[in-house]
Amino acid sequence: QVQLVQSGAEVKKPGASVKVSCKASGYTFTAYYIHWVRQAPGQGLEWMGWISPNSGATKYAQKFQGWVTMTRDTSISTAYMELRRLRSDDTAVYYCARVNGWELPRGAFNIWGQGTMVTVSS
Amino acid sequence: DIQMTQSPSSLSASVGDRVTITCQASQDISNSLNWYQQKPGKAPKLLIYDASYLETGVPSRFSGSGSGTDFTFTISSLQPQDIATYYCQHYNDLFPYSFGQGTKLEIK
Repeated sequence: QVQLVQSGAEVKKPGASVKVSCKASGYTFTAYYIHWVRQAPGQGLEWMGWISPNSGATKYAQKFQGWVTMTRDTSISTAYMELRRLRSDDTAVYYCARVNGWELPRGAFNIWGQGTMVTVSS
Repeated sequence: DIQMTQSPSSLSASVGDRVTITCQASQDISNSLNWYQQKPGKAPKLLIYDASYLETGVPSRFSGSGSGTDFTFTISSLQPQDIATYYCQHYNDLFPYSFGQGTKLEIK
């Protein structure tokens, strides 16, 4: 079935980097944009950006520009989100999500990964 | 950026009640609005896309309406399994894909 499976929980120290993976299966990976969304404990959803698995083009929320990098490896149908210079307030669950529109960045997120908990603590 | 104002932030209702949540955009977004349900410890689940279209497999007691700046999400008859937090989200390549603040729905 169509699914996104994310990498496991991470614990990082302030100033470190984290790279979360999102492996797609059950559909043509290059045909659907992948977005990244995070959720701090007890808080709402925050959109981070998207990547085109086909071209590798990216768009980041202004807040994350210069701080996040989204990449993909089409040979293994996997998208990645790397966040650098981590701070304690980056502690959150990070989700990848697939858009429902063919080769379009905009639309609804109809397939979600299970989430990856990233804890930033000294 | 487009701001999404969702209300109420929390809601308590009885099984069988009709429940309504509203979402207001700070500018015209046409019908570029989605609704999600999130249960504790789980990823969000898409319920309604493009303001009023029911996602495949979602029960028909869920519905959405509106366009422009004002949107409504309705559960026609609340069921115990509907206890969750609900979020609206706009999508537009010119602006960040922002979410509303969420509405926590509880059983009375």
